[in-house]
Amino acid sequence: AQSVTQLGSHVSVSEGALVLLRCNYSSSVPPYLFWYVQYPNQGLQLLLKYTSAATLVKGINGFEAEFKKSETSFHLTKPSAHMSDAAEYFCAVSRRGGRRALTFGSGTRLQVQP
Amino acid sequence: DVKVTQSSRYLVKRTGEKVFLECVQDMDHENMFWYRQDPGLGLRLIYFSYDVKMKEKGDIPEGYSVSREKKERFSLILESASTNQTSMYLCASSLEFVAGGIGNQPQHFGDGTRLSIL
Repeated sequence: AQSVTQLGSHVSVSEGALVLLRCNYSSSVPPYLFWYVQYPNQGLQLLLKYTSAATLVKGINGFEAEFKKSETSFHLTKPSAHMSDAAEYFCAVSRRGGRRALTFGSGTRLQVQP
Repeated sequence: DVKVTQSSRYLVKRTGEKVFLECVQDMDHENMFWYRQDPGLGLRLIYFSYDVKMKEKGDIPEGYSVSREKKERFSLILESASTNQTSMYLCASSLEFVAGGIGNQPQHFGDGTRLSIL
Protein backbone atom coordinates (compact mmCIF):
# COMPACT_ATOMS: atom_id res chain seq x y z
CA ALA A 1 0.00 0.00 0.00
CA GLN A 2 1.14 3.52 -0.72
CA SER A 3 2.18 5.79 2.14
CA VAL A 4 3.78 9.19 2.58
CA THR A 5 6.04 10.54 5.32
CA GLN A 6 6.66 14.23 5.79
CA LEU A 7 9.67 14.96 7.96
CA GLY A 8 9.14 17.90 10.25
CA SER A 9 5.69 19.04 11.29
CA HIS A 10 6.95 22.64 11.57
CA VAL A 11 9.60 24.41 9.53
CA SER A 12 10.66 28.01 10.09
CA VAL A 13 12.72 30.03 7.62
CA SER A 14 13.64 33.67 7.20
CA GLU A 15 12.19 35.71 4.38
CA GLY A 16 14.46 35.27 1.35
CA ALA A 17 15.90 31.96 2.55
CA LEU A 18 15.63 28.60 0.84
CA VAL A 19 12.53 26.57 1.58
CA LEU A 20 12.93 22.77 1.76
CA LEU A 21 10.01 20.58 2.77
CA ARG A 22 10.68 16.87 2.83
CA CYS A 23 8.48 14.05 1.57
CA ASN A 24 9.29 10.36 1.29
CA TYR A 25 6.92 7.83 -0.15
CA SER A 26 6.55 4.10 -0.22
CA SER A 27 4.83 2.50 -3.14
CA SER A 28 4.90 -0.89 -4.74
CA VAL A 29 4.33 0.65 -8.17
CA PRO A 30 5.57 3.86 -9.79
CA PRO A 31 3.60 6.53 -8.02
CA TYR A 32 1.85 9.72 -8.93
CA LEU A 33 2.87 12.37 -6.39
CA PHE A 34 1.36 15.70 -5.49
CA TRP A 35 2.09 18.70 -3.29
CA TYR A 36 -0.81 20.75 -1.96
CA VAL A 37 -0.85 23.96 0.06
CA GLN A 38 -3.48 25.01 2.58
CA TYR A 39 -3.80 28.63 3.66
CA PRO A 40 -5.65 29.38 6.91
CA ASN A 41 -9.37 28.66 6.77
CA GLN A 42 -9.20 27.39 3.22
CA GLY A 43 -9.22 24.10 1.40
CA LEU A 44 -6.20 22.57 -0.29
CA GLN A 45 -4.76 23.98 -3.50
CA LEU A 46 -2.57 22.03 -5.90
CA LEU A 47 1.04 23.27 -6.07
CA LEU A 48 2.45 20.68 -8.46
CA LYS A 49 2.25 17.04 -9.49
CA TYR A 50 4.59 14.31 -10.72
CA THR A 51 3.14 11.88 -13.23
CA SER A 52 6.26 10.08 -14.54
CA ALA A 53 7.30 12.64 -17.13
CA ALA A 54 10.15 14.99 -16.13
CA THR A 55 11.61 14.27 -12.70
CA LEU A 56 11.93 17.98 -11.90
CA VAL A 57 8.48 19.46 -11.65
CA LYS A 58 7.76 23.16 -11.54
CA GLY A 59 4.65 24.40 -9.83
CA ILE A 60 2.92 27.61 -8.96
CA ASN A 61 4.32 30.43 -6.81
CA GLY A 62 7.94 29.53 -7.63
CA PHE A 63 7.86 26.07 -6.03
CA GLU A 64 9.40 22.99 -7.56
CA ALA A 65 9.96 19.38 -6.56
CA GLU A 66 12.29 16.65 -7.72
CA PHE A 67 11.31 13.01 -7.95
CA LYS A 68 14.20 10.77 -6.88
CA LYS A 69 13.34 7.13 -7.28
CA SER A 70 16.56 5.90 -5.64
CA GLU A 71 15.75 7.89 -2.51
CA THR A 72 11.95 7.45 -2.74
CA SER A 73 11.70 11.18 -2.19
CA PHE A 74 9.74 14.10 -3.61
CA HIS A 75 11.00 17.12 -1.66
CA LEU A 76 9.50 20.55 -2.25
CA THR A 77 11.78 23.57 -2.64
CA LYS A 78 11.63 27.29 -3.28
CA PRO A 79 14.81 29.36 -3.66
CA SER A 80 13.58 32.41 -1.76
CA ALA A 81 10.78 32.37 0.81
CA HIS A 82 8.15 35.07 0.87
CA MET A 83 5.92 35.98 3.78
CA SER A 84 2.91 34.86 1.74
CA ASP A 85 4.32 31.30 1.64
CA ALA A 86 3.37 30.77 5.27
CA ALA A 87 0.88 27.91 5.15
CA GLU A 88 0.57 24.17 5.68
CA TYR A 89 1.93 21.90 2.97
CA PHE A 90 0.82 18.36 2.25
CA CYS A 91 2.50 15.70 0.17
CA ALA A 92 0.21 13.05 -1.31
CA VAL A 93 0.52 9.86 -3.34
CA SER A 94 -2.12 8.51 -5.65
CA ARG A 95 -3.41 5.06 -4.81
CA ARG A 96 -3.02 3.13 -7.99
CA GLY A 97 -5.25 0.11 -8.08
CA GLY A 98 -7.74 1.92 -5.94
CA ARG A 99 -10.12 4.42 -7.41
CA ARG A 100 -8.07 7.60 -7.66
CA ALA A 101 -8.03 8.35 -3.96
CA LEU A 102 -4.98 9.99 -2.40
CA THR A 103 -2.96 9.13 0.65
CA PHE A 104 -1.77 12.30 2.38
CA GLY A 105 1.16 12.96 4.63
CA SER A 106 0.58 14.54 8.02
CA GLY A 107 1.54 18.00 6.77
CA THR A 108 4.31 20.54 7.39
CA ARG A 109 3.50 24.00 8.67
CA LEU A 110 5.84 26.58 7.17
CA GLN A 111 6.54 29.77 9.10
CA VAL A 112 8.34 32.65 7.41
CA GLN A 113 10.11 35.10 9.69
CA PRO A 114 10.64 38.71 8.61
CA ASP B 1 -11.97 27.27 -12.68
CA VAL B 2 -13.33 24.31 -10.78
CA LYS B 3 -15.60 25.23 -7.94
CA VAL B 4 -16.25 22.86 -5.07
CA THR B 5 -18.76 24.29 -2.63
CA GLN B 6 -19.41 22.96 0.84
CA SER B 7 -22.72 24.07 2.26
CA SER B 8 -21.49 25.22 5.67
CA ARG B 9 -18.18 26.65 6.91
CA TYR B 10 -19.03 26.08 10.56
CA LEU B 11 -21.53 23.71 12.10
CA VAL B 12 -22.38 22.88 15.70
CA LYS B 13 -24.44 19.79 16.49
CA ARG B 14 -25.28 17.68 19.52
CA THR B 15 -24.31 14.12 20.33
CA GLY B 16 -26.69 11.62 18.78
CA GLU B 17 -27.97 13.94 16.06
CA LYS B 18 -27.99 12.89 12.42
CA VAL B 19 -25.76 15.34 10.56
CA PHE B 20 -25.63 16.05 6.82
CA LEU B 21 -22.66 17.71 5.14
CA GLU B 22 -23.25 18.71 1.54
CA CYS B 23 -20.78 19.20 -1.28
CA VAL B 24 -21.42 20.38 -4.83
CA GLN B 25 -18.97 20.62 -7.75
CA ASP B 26 -19.58 22.42 -11.02
CA MET B 27 -17.10 20.74 -13.38
CA ASP B 28 -18.83 17.46 -14.19
CA HIS B 29 -16.16 15.47 -12.35
CA GLU B 30 -16.73 11.75 -12.00
CA ASN B 31 -14.91 11.34 -8.69
CA MET B 32 -15.81 12.92 -5.38
CA PHE B 33 -14.22 12.44 -1.98
CA TRP B 34 -14.78 13.16 1.69
CA TYR B 35 -11.82 13.60 4.04
CA ARG B 36 -11.48 14.61 7.64
CA GLN B 37 -8.53 16.69 8.74
CA ASP B 38 -7.15 16.54 12.25
CA PRO B 39 -3.95 18.19 13.59
CA GLY B 40 -0.93 15.96 13.17
CA LEU B 41 -2.86 13.36 11.17
CA GLY B 42 -3.15 15.09 7.82
CA LEU B 43 -6.18 14.20 5.72
CA ARG B 44 -7.82 10.83 6.10
CA LEU B 45 -10.19 9.46 3.50
CA ILE B 46 -13.67 8.63 4.74
CA TYR B 47 -15.51 7.67 1.55
CA PHE B 48 -15.30 8.32 -2.13
CA SER B 49 -17.55 7.95 -5.14
CA TYR B 50 -16.58 7.37 -8.77
CA ASP B 51 -20.05 7.56 -10.27
CA VAL B 52 -23.63 8.32 -9.38
CA LYS B 53 -24.90 5.88 -6.74
CA MET B 54 -21.44 4.29 -6.51
CA LYS B 55 -19.32 4.54 -3.39
CA GLU B 56 -16.29 2.97 -1.79
CA LYS B 57 -15.07 3.01 1.77
CA GLY B 58 -11.91 4.88 2.56
CA ASP B 59 -9.68 4.43 5.58
CA ILE B 60 -12.06 5.56 8.32
CA PRO B 61 -15.67 4.93 7.23
CA GLU B 62 -17.02 3.85 10.64
CA GLY B 63 -19.83 6.10 11.84
CA TYR B 64 -20.30 7.70 8.41
CA SER B 65 -22.30 7.05 5.28
CA VAL B 66 -22.55 8.88 1.96
CA SER B 67 -25.03 9.56 -0.78
CA ARG B 68 -24.52 10.45 -4.41
CA GLU B 69 -27.84 10.73 -6.20
CA LYS B 70 -26.62 13.30 -8.75
CA LYS B 71 -23.21 13.62 -10.34
CA GLU B 72 -22.55 17.08 -8.95
CA ARG B 73 -23.54 16.42 -5.34
CA PHE B 74 -21.91 14.23 -2.69
CA SER B 75 -23.30 14.14 0.83
CA LEU B 76 -21.61 12.91 3.98
CA ILE B 77 -23.90 11.65 6.73
CA LEU B 78 -23.04 11.18 10.38
CA GLU B 79 -25.69 8.68 11.43
CA SER B 80 -25.44 9.44 15.16
CA ALA B 81 -22.91 12.16 15.84
CA SER B 82 -20.34 11.62 18.56
CA THR B 83 -17.80 13.98 20.09
CA ASN B 84 -14.90 12.16 18.42
CA GLN B 85 -16.30 13.25 15.08
CA THR B 86 -15.51 16.88 15.86
CA SER B 87 -13.17 17.78 13.03
CA MET B 88 -12.61 19.69 9.81
CA TYR B 89 -14.29 17.95 6.87
CA LEU B 90 -13.04 18.51 3.35
CA CYS B 91 -14.76 17.57 0.12
CA ALA B 92 -12.86 17.15 -3.16
CA SER B 93 -13.55 16.20 -6.76
CA SER B 94 -11.46 15.05 -9.71
CA LEU B 95 -11.71 13.91 -13.28
CA GLU B 96 -11.67 10.18 -13.84
CA PHE B 97 -9.30 9.95 -16.72
CA VAL B 98 -7.25 12.13 -18.98
CA ALA B 99 -4.54 11.02 -21.38
CA GLY B 100 -1.59 9.90 -19.32
CA GLY B 101 -3.32 7.50 -17.06
CA ILE B 102 -5.86 7.06 -14.35
CA GLY B 103 -5.05 8.63 -11.02
CA ASN B 104 -2.92 11.49 -12.28
CA GLN B 105 -5.60 14.10 -12.03
CA PRO B 106 -5.43 16.53 -9.15
CA GLN B 107 -8.21 16.80 -6.68
CA HIS B 108 -9.99 20.11 -6.26
CA PHE B 109 -11.02 20.96 -2.72
CA GLY B 110 -13.77 22.92 -1.08
CA ASP B 111 -12.99 25.31 1.79
CA GLY B 112 -14.03 22.81 4.43
CA THR B 113 -16.68 22.50 7.11
CA ARG B 114 -15.52 22.81 10.70
CA LEU B 115 -17.89 20.58 12.63
CA SER B 116 -18.21 20.63 16.40
CA ILE B 117 -20.18 17.94 18.20
CA LEU B 118 -21.18 18.92 21.73
